[in-house]
Amino acid sequence: EAEVAQSPRYKITEKSQAVAFWCDPISGHATLYWYRQILGQGPELLVQFQDESVVDDSQLPKDRFSAERLKGVDSTLKIQPAELGDSAMYLCASSLQDGLNTEAFFGQGTRLTVV
Amino acid sequence: DQQVKQNSPSLSVQEGRISILNCDYTNSMFDYFLWYKKYPAEGPTFLISISSIKDKNEDGRFTVFLNKSAKHLSLHIVPSQPGDSAVYFCAAITWGGSNYKLTFGKGTLLTVNP
Repeated sequence: EAEVAQSPRYKITEKSQAVAFWCDPISGHATLYWYRQILGQGPELLVQFQDESVVDDSQLPKDRFSAERLKGVDSTLKIQPAELGDSAMYLCASSLQDGLNTEAFFGQGTRLTVV
Repeated sequence: DQQVKQNSPSLSVQEGRISILNCDYTNSMFDYFLWYKKYPAEGPTFLISISSIKDKNEDGRFTVFLNKSAKHLSLHIVPSQPGDSAVYFCAAITWGGSNYKLTFGKGTLLTVNP
């Protein structure tokens, strides 16, 4: 069964350092999302891509976060510099968005701890 | 402003009984509603969805009910099993031109006791 792949699963970094997460969506899924989930909260959208284009990054802290999906397939989310408050689970998801299939499929996530 | 609300942070039920998870929303433009299940240290897994034009969708032990006039939906799990213990997220979709936006509630932790 096709899955959304994310790496790494876990990341510990010191504050002020740079950190990057990678996501490979399900083949053929044009829409890719990056969500952040803080413990006890629901996932919050950081950025949404349609193919290689950003369609929503209104909640992305652009002073320190960046995301790209250069070829419209896999994607990278970067934080520089990391802050203590960035500790969270970072989830990547993808979907077809073909009007019939509405659900987004999530990867295993990357648990980031900033110390 | 939270558009999707899950007001019960936790729920505990006995194995074999019914679990009812509730969700309220404020945006009347939502087109689809979904329920996701999440185990610790894993990503959410899609469970079941319902279109805004329907009032019920059933899949095995899982049934989702939608009451549009009350802006309320619920997930029923019958019978509940210990393996159902997880955090359940309610989510809603709005269409924004050429793409849709998926908004999540805060989740409800379900514990099914043997």
